[in-house]
Amino acid sequence: AQSVAQPEDQVNVAEGNPLTVKCTYSVSGNPYLFWYVQYPNRGLQFLLKYITGDNLVKGSYGFEAEFNKSQTSFHLKKPSALVSDSALYFCAVRRSGGYQKVTFGTGTKLQVIP
Amino acid sequence: DSGVTQTPKHLITATGQRVTLRCSPRSGDLSVYWYQQSLDQGLQFLIQYYNGEERAKGNILERFSAQQFPDLHSELNLSSLELGDSALYFCASSQGGADTEAFFGQGTRLTVV
Repeated sequence: AQSVAQPEDQVNVAEGNPLTVKCTYSVSGNPYLFWYVQYPNRGLQFLLKYITGDNLVKGSYGFEAEFNKSQTSFHLKKPSALVSDSALYFCAVRRSGGYQKVTFGTGTKLQVIP
Repeated sequence: DSGVTQTPKHLITATGQRVTLRCSPRSGDLSVYWYQQSLDQGLQFLIQYYNGEERAKGNILERFSAQQFPDLHSELNLSSLELGDSALYFCASSQGGADTEAFFGQGTRLTVV
């Protein structure tokens, strides 16, 4: 069975400071990893993904994430937070190969304080 | 706008009733996914279809069923509704490969009273 853990229900960060939203995963075989963002009353929006290759992945809106195989982590980062980044962030994992279901984490609410 | 259209946006119905949620995927996407989002259970994967065929199944109740039609739109049928079925139901679509990201609709908010 595969799983995703987002250990923090909420992360607070001051505007302009760097932010990190944590994600660890468990899957047999090679993982495909995704980050999505959800604004109030909206569907999820894709931010970035790791499939293979460079461990540092860059995505939309200045976000990036680092894949760490030994720590089974895929933390989301941004060098300088904006108030408009305040939203709910979901990490997701899928096993590579075939038709595999996607498992989402429970979500982390990011609050950027002006 | 993700290009995924879900109807209706809101639905209020009584316990024991049956409803149908509809999803039109992005142009060119062959895969459709259904998710349920509730406060206590988070985002739960229900089922995936690829080009009309069921491809993966998650925590979908027997009272729920889905299908994808030849024009690739999909419907999620929920029957014998219970209060606990109240949730946001999202449809998402993708090109289909396991490495492809999904594009989500704005969801249908179902309230069972």
